[in-house]
Amino acid sequence: EVQLVESGGGLVQPGGSLRLSCSASGFTFSSYAMHWVRQAPGKGLEYVSAISSNGGSTYYADSVKGRFTISRDNSKNTLYLQMSSLRAEDTAVYYCVKGVAAAGTGIDYWGQGTLVTVSS
Amino acid sequence: DIVMTQTPLSLSVTPGQPASISCKSSQSLLHSDGKTYLYWYLQKPGQSPQLLIYEVSSRFSGVPDRFSGSGSGTDFTLKISRVEAEDVGVYYCMQGIHLPPTFGQGTKVEIK
Repeated sequence: EVQLVESGGGLVQPGGSLRLSCSASGFTFSSYAMHWVRQAPGKGLEYVSAISSNGGSTYYADSVKGRFTISRDNSKNTLYLQMSSLRAEDTAVYYCVKGVAAAGTGIDYWGQGTLVTVSS
Repeated sequence: DIVMTQTPLSLSVTPGQPASISCKSSQSLLHSDGKTYLYWYLQKPGQSPQLLIYEVSSRFSGVPDRFSGSGSGTDFTLKISRVEAEDVGVYYCMQGIHLPPTFGQGTKVEIK
């Protein structure tokens, strides 16, 4: 059974930093691209970032480019999202999502999400 | 970015009756590899989204056959042949052909 468990969310002040982690199990983590998708309270889904299976290729939405960094440790089956210069508009539930292939944008399994609140 | 437009935004359905959701993209989702990268997800109340349909019409593992997807190019439809109580939630379409992947606004389905 595919399991994705996010952690690291919480309350942070504007301009602050936070690192999200996603622990994966139930599939060969190193064979799949991984993604982050977020959902602001009461809103729809927004694609944030992606990383290829070997970490060699990354993508960022314009809204987070230059502030967020995605990475992965295939030896630990863990995905990360380092977030800095956080803004109020970054407040959302952040979902770790498994890709359907080593690269590309198709996504299938979602974690339960971790809430990030940016507020003073 | 490709804009995905869903209609209707809300739907109230009697159990056992069919339901249909439309999703239109601002550009064709047909890739040069011959596949069309259109996905459907359901977010049940209080849960994370779950994949229902991939590449327009293929049901994901464990998805009941009352769910079906169709369409081509820029026009797509998700149909539920007989709505059940467990089908309530918000349905999203997503395009996966152009970066960034973009989602429709969501269609909220409730039971009458």
